[in-house]
Amino acid sequence: DAKTTQPNSMESNEEEPVHLPCNHSTISGTDYIHWYRQLPSQGPEYVIHGLTSNVNNRMASLAIAEDRKSSTLILHRATLRDAAVYYCILMNRDDKIIFGKGTRLHILP
Amino acid sequence: DGGITQSPKYLFRKEGQNVTLSCEQNLNHDAMYWYRQDPGQGLRLIYYSQIVNDFQKGDIAEGYSVSREKKESFPLTVTSAQKNPTAFYLCASRVGTGGNEKLFFGSGTQLSVL
Repeated sequence: DAKTTQPNSMESNEEEPVHLPCNHSTISGTDYIHWYRQLPSQGPEYVIHGLTSNVNNRMASLAIAEDRKSSTLILHRATLRDAAVYYCILMNRDDKIIFGKGTRLHILP
Repeated sequence: DGGITQSPKYLFRKEGQNVTLSCEQNLNHDAMYWYRQDPGQGLRLIYYSQIVNDFQKGDIAEGYSVSREKKESFPLTVTSAQKNPTAFYLCASRVGTGGNEKLFFGSGTQLSVL
């Protein structure tokens, strides 16, 4: 079973910020929190990852709760190209990387 | 350019036939993975390999087989024992087996049954 839970779908207006939540209440101290996104008929692509501190890159920001039991992916200004399925997964030395169903993000023009 | 190449993009299988999906990477990654994706669903792990000549079953390995004879190659065979093979198959790799390495995915193979 997936170690993370995410809403099935979310909607946002174009050019507004989007906050995608992820719960991982059984996270261990060595688990990294990763986010990937998948466009239709393509393989997922890396978005961002972190361990304890908040992280920023050119695509997004990752906010990690102090107890690390939840995290939020932040798209600062959504565009139509951000419409995709977003997966939050945990990764550590265990090679069995498990994906959940992710959140399907719809962007309204 | 470095990356993961999956071929073919589309594949058709006849009843009782085995088919092999190719996955090649030139990223010098140790770990490789195969996932299956059904329409509107998430990714399910079929097999994974940490090093050459070693691989482990994932959650849905029945009806599939793999080999890892070379570091850069991890082919997946869908056998006739897999009764419902129609799905989108994704191959991935990462450089090591810690948690701080990104996963890189190929562009996928769509397998359909004739």
